[in-house]
Amino acid sequence: KAGVTQTPRYLIKTRGQQVTLSCSPISGHRSVSWYQQTPGQGLQFLFEYFSETQRNKGNFPGRFSGRQFSNSRSEMNVSTLELGDSALYLCASSPEPGQGYEQFFGPGTRLTVL
Amino acid sequence: AQKVTQAQTEISVVEKEDVTLDCVYETRDTTYYLFWYKQPPSGELVFLIRRNSFDEQNEISGRYSWNFQKSTSSFNFTITASQVVDSAVYFCALSGPNTGNQFYFGTGTSLTVIP
Repeated sequence: KAGVTQTPRYLIKTRGQQVTLSCSPISGHRSVSWYQQTPGQGLQFLFEYFSETQRNKGNFPGRFSGRQFSNSRSEMNVSTLELGDSALYLCASSPEPGQGYEQFFGPGTRLTVL
Repeated sequence: AQKVTQAQTEISVVEKEDVTLDCVYETRDTTYYLFWYKQPPSGELVFLIRRNSFDEQNEISGRYSWNFQKSTSSFNFTITASQVVDSAVYFCALSGPNTGNQFYFGTGTSLTVIP
């Protein structure tokens, strides 16, 4: 079974631009979550999607948004990029939300904002 | 509030030594789930183990073992006879019944195994 895939793996943008990151979950997994990882803040939850609906959202500004498609693939978008948005963005999937399912993570997209 | 504390920021051991990584959690939920993940230099978080709050049995998987103690709110991870391939950052995480798939991660422990 293929794992979680994320594209692109690396991205370099400048301040003020916007970016879209993509995530394909493990086949059969319908829940997708996004996390931001930085050296200073560690792993922080961004949002979670299930059945094309956002179920939960972390404490991030509105510049961070996401969506999920009917095939469970998900995208996240960051508008008006700031230097502090430089991070590793990790996507994770599980069969369903909650129930204590483990989440399986993708390799991440490393975003650098110049 | 949910919180995970990994007080050990960095640990270095010589190959074949045993090492224990500490994890202390806080939650008001009676049902909750604990996890350990490994993050090698490649960046991908690799799932190691899941424990629910009703299962306090310790678990052993090869050189890895986990000690879950509700009385001290701890879920510690021991690597026996460490190997260079064990070098990575290890994260402990917590989730609850009402938080969906929102995991609360600790700050991680960076383990270096010296050959």
